Amino acid sequence: DQQVKQNSPSLSVQEGRISILNCDYTNSMFDYFLWYKKYPAEGPTFLISISSIKDKNEDGRFTVFLNKSAKHLSLHIVPSQPGDSAVYFCAASAGDQAGTALIFGKGTTLSVSS
Amino acid sequence: EPEVTQTPSHQVTQMGQEVILRCVPISNHLYFYWYRQILGQKVEFLVSFYNNEISEKSEIFDDQFSVERPDGSNFTLKIRSTKLEDSAMYFCASSTQGRVNYGYTFGSGTRLTVV
Repeated sequence: DQQVKQNSPSLSVQEGRISILNCDYTNSMFDYFLWYKKYPAEGPTFLISISSIKDKNEDGRFTVFLNKSAKHLSLHIVPSQPGDSAVYFCAASAGDQAGTALIFGKGTTLSVSS
Repeated sequence: EPEVTQTPSHQVTQMGQEVILRCVPISNHLYFYWYRQILGQKVEFLVSFYNNEISEKSEIFDDQFSVERPDGSNFTLKIRSTKLEDSAMYFCASSTQGRVNYGYTFGSGTRLTVV
């Protein structure tokens, strides 16, 4: 039962261009969404989040867009840099209470070439 | 920058043996979590822990699993009788607040191999 889906296992982008990573979810109870980045041999690192009451959140080169009616979110990285090459996980939660479980997608491997 | 420390980085154990995975969360964090990732699959929630109690647990976290904060710094995950399907990367995480939108800090993981 995949409540959070990242349908593209990989994405290749040239340095300086935009990277767009997509995520779909099925559970209408989700109201917080997060993106994590993971390098090999490291744990996931929090990047950016968005609440369901917003449709956009921006932090430097990273912007997350949420389309609640389509149950879709995307992460835009502009401009992409070689150091952005990693696995990107979309995650969601139903509520922001203490100890809330994050439900992760399978991840998308981003490769940025110079 | 403060980090979550996990030991060992890799553990091999025989099926049926007990294993304890150890984590040292960030010192001022109050909420603690265990997640796991079976090779090639998604990261899955196991359990969250706050104020010396389990806050939430998933279906995966059955009677074979337990967590403990034995002192002021360590947070452990015990698997009583390991099965082959317990082979995975286990991630510990902690957060200073319970609000998910601030993100959790994850450790580098312990790769558990059950043979």
